[in-house]
Amino acid sequence: DIQMTQSPSSLSASVGDRVTITCRASQDIRDNLSWFQQTPGKAPKRLISAASILASGVPSRFSGRGSGTQFTLTISSLQPEDFATYYCLHHNNYPLTFGGGTKVEIK
Amino acid sequence: EVQVVESGGGLVQPGGSLRLSCATSGFIFSDYWVYWVRQAPGEGLQWVATIKEDGSETYYVDSVRGRFTISRDDATKSVHLQMSSLTAEDTAVYYCTTRRAMSRLYFDYWGQGTLVTVSS
Repeated sequence: DIQMTQSPSSLSASVGDRVTITCRASQDIRDNLSWFQQTPGKAPKRLISAASILASGVPSRFSGRGSGTQFTLTISSLQPEDFATYYCLHHNNYPLTFGGGTKVEIK
Repeated sequence: EVQVVESGGGLVQPGGSLRLSCATSGFIFSDYWVYWVRQAPGEGLQWVATIKEDGSETYYVDSVRGRFTISRDDATKSVHLQMSSLTAEDTAVYYCTTRRAMSRLYFDYWGQGTLVTVSS
């Protein structure tokens, strides 16, 4: 099974900061990776698919990069509504696995 | 308007069974794979099960294989998750989510989730 290691598990940042979250896959998954945002009590929301394709309606301050085993999600200028938990998901094969999550908190 | 609505959660004793349902509308159901994803209290997300758009393929995480069965009913545009031999480790919010066949855009539509609590 492919393991997804996400880092950091949490971070504190201020509005306007640039934030980068990393996911590392235990095997080559090409670009079969998505990113999701979740706020407390809500269902996850897709941000990025195929490592770098921004979902419809997602602000352009979000971007994704990577292929193979190393992937990043970057928020170029953190906004108040971005304080949430972020998850990566590999969908290269079964079983699908999520990263452990990164909680982005207000500094 | 797209709607995905889960139901069927509740309190069940260890060893018991429960059937979750996912009712959909607003998109061509027969074009979509459907997935169940769960989240234990205070924990991260875990993929649980998948059913292909035509029902010909199903997939399960190891921890539920043999205990859970995913099925779909195109007539009612719904998916079900039959869960048996439940343990405390199955306690979670269960979400239903989708992917259009042949698309790389995973998990576009989500429901609000239904809570399953396994406890005596």
